Amino acid sequence: KQEVTQIPAALSVPEGENLVLNCSFTDSAIYNLQWFRQDPGKGLTSLLLIQSSQREQTSGRLNASLDKSSGRSTLYIAASQPGDSATYLCAVYQGAQKLVFGQGTRLTINP
Amino acid sequence: DAGVIQSPRHEVTEMGQEVTLRCKPISGHNSLFWYRQTMMRGLELLIYFNNNVPIDDSGMPEDRFSAKMPNASFSTLKIQPSEPRDSAVYFCASSSSGTTGELFFGEGSRLTVL
Repeated sequence: KQEVTQIPAALSVPEGENLVLNCSFTDSAIYNLQWFRQDPGKGLTSLLLIQSSQREQTSGRLNASLDKSSGRSTLYIAASQPGDSATYLCAVYQGAQKLVFGQGTRLTINP
Repeated sequence: DAGVIQSPRHEVTEMGQEVTLRCKPISGHNSLFWYRQTMMRGLELLIYFNNNVPIDDSGMPEDRFSAKMPNASFSTLKIQPSEPRDSAVYFCASSSSGTTGELFFGEGSRLTVL
């Protein structure tokens, strides 16, 4: 059974810092991996999707990497801003469509 | 596009009552998913449909839960009878299996069963 772990569970950093969120998964036979952002009381917003044949994806200040062989993905946020404060969720695709989620990292950026 | 639309956004009901949650997927998407989110268990997949056909309902907790997708633009998740432990946020999501499979979520329906 696939298990997805996100470390740390919570992170608080001052504004302007670069930071890395970690995601690990137990079964490397994944299809794709997707990073989401969730604001309190809201739904999930897709940030980046990495297909199994890719090693990384970039969108603005965000960069996500994928190493299937080691069962790891990282989300790098450059020059963090208070508006980046949210919970970040990693999810792996078991097969083409079934997503397994981690518990998330709650990020707080302090002005 | 309006995105995935869910209703109601909030529902408060008493134990034993029937609850129906509704979802309209993104137009053109042929896969629809129902998830439940709680503090204790995080996000759990309940059931998903491809082309209106249920593919995997192994996450449905028990027979009190049922889901239907009568057409490509509408799905319901029903709980009958509801219990306090069903209190959670229920999310609907959709994707197009013909592309990368990227999943798009609705805003969720927050259910409180008293």
